[in-house]
Amino acid sequence: NAGVIQTPRHKVTGKGQEATLWCEPISGHSAVFWYRQTIVQGLEFLTYFRNQAPIDDSGMPKERFSAQMPNQSHSTLKIQSTQPQDSAVYLCASSMTGGNTEVFFGKGTRLTVV
Amino acid sequence: SQLAEENLWALSVHEGESVTVNCSYKTSITALQWYRQKSGEGPAQLILIRSNEREKRNGRLRATLDTSSQSSSLSITATRCEDTAVYFCATDGQGGRALIFGTGTTVSVSP
Repeated sequence: NAGVIQTPRHKVTGKGQEATLWCEPISGHSAVFWYRQTIVQGLEFLTYFRNQAPIDDSGMPKERFSAQMPNQSHSTLKIQSTQPQDSAVYLCASSMTGGNTEVFFGKGTRLTVV
Repeated sequence: SQLAEENLWALSVHEGESVTVNCSYKTSITALQWYRQKSGEGPAQLILIRSNEREKRNGRLRATLDTSSQSSSLSITATRCEDTAVYFCATDGQGGRALIFGTGTTVSVSP
């Protein structure tokens, strides 16, 4: 079990460019989550899939951010027209069933927008 | 918005001492979880304590839950330098939602 795998670990983009972050959840886990972590805001919930269906995207910025889960083995978080304030560590996590169960996190992707 | 929050930003102790991190939450819950995040890693679960439990132990860790005051604590005994990390409490409230994390308490353990 390799755990939750996130790629790339580091990404630098120019302002206005697009960034795509990848996540491979733990095999057999039906729930996938995306979080964003900054010093100022802490660990913020972005979006949640269960059995590949979007369940809750209440934390997603309404513009420029989108997440997909085309199959059970990977999810992507796409940020269009990146801005310096998008710089953060983006964490993907998965759990067996969602809800109040143990959540397993990847090591994160550090996005820097210059 | 935070469903749960740790009460202190940072704590410092020496190896061998005990440390307690406190958390308060705002809604009814089915369970509360404690996580630890070391530098360069994602958070990792330490303890899950359900609303009908008052105490849960895991080795040197002890979590308590007081549903009447909507508070929880995580105590670490015989601390080690490798316990240095940020400690979070987290809950999804009544269930079915994603975990919402508190702001975290940084615990520093020095030799």
